[in-house]
Amino acid sequence: AQSVTQLGSHVSVSEGALVLLRCNYSSSVPPYLFWYVQYPNQGLQLLLKYTTGATLVKGINGFEAEFKKSETSFHLTKPSAHMSDAAEYFCAVSEYNQGGKLIFGQGTELSVKP
Amino acid sequence: DTAVSQTPKYLVTQMGNDKSIKCEQNLGHDTMYWYKQDSKKFLKIMFSYNNKELIINETVPNRFSPKSPDKAHLNLHINSLELGDSAVYFCASSQVRGGLAGNEQFFGPGTRLTVL
Repeated sequence: AQSVTQLGSHVSVSEGALVLLRCNYSSSVPPYLFWYVQYPNQGLQLLLKYTTGATLVKGINGFEAEFKKSETSFHLTKPSAHMSDAAEYFCAVSEYNQGGKLIFGQGTELSVKP
Repeated sequence: DTAVSQTPKYLVTQMGNDKSIKCEQNLGHDTMYWYKQDSKKFLKIMFSYNNKELIINETVPNRFSPKSPDKAHLNLHINSLELGDSAVYFCASSQVRGGLAGNEQFFGPGTRLTVL
């Protein structure tokens, strides 16, 4: 069965510092992996996704993530945090022929200090 | 134009009542979903419809009944509301024809349901 674990329910960084949000997954077949962002009182917006091909994926707002099959990880990074990055971040996995359903991690709240 | 819209945005009701949440997507997608986000922000799939056909039902109490009149609409009806039903409900849509699961899901703004 698929599952996703996000290490750290809350991460705090200073503005301009590196952002690293960790995600590990469990899947019996090659997974599709996603990072979504949720701003307060809003829906979810896709940051980036991995399906096949290049394992380093670039997304919106300067975020990127690297798929590491040997580590079953898909960590999200951004070189320099901005105040506007403060939000809840969700890692998710789906599998082929599962109707596209997303299995989400617990979420990580990112705070950015001035 | 809003891609995935939900109504109402807020819903406050008493225990035991019946309520509905409506969802519409104008993206031409073939699959729609309902997710529940609890008070700890955990998101869990509830249902999925592909071209008006139920394809995912994730062990949700039968008080919850989704209905899809056409592939652009997916409504959620909840009978006999309980305190534990309080949550934010998100509708989403994507194109998954052919078994594809790598396509982006577009989410609605959510409906915050509060059961008193």
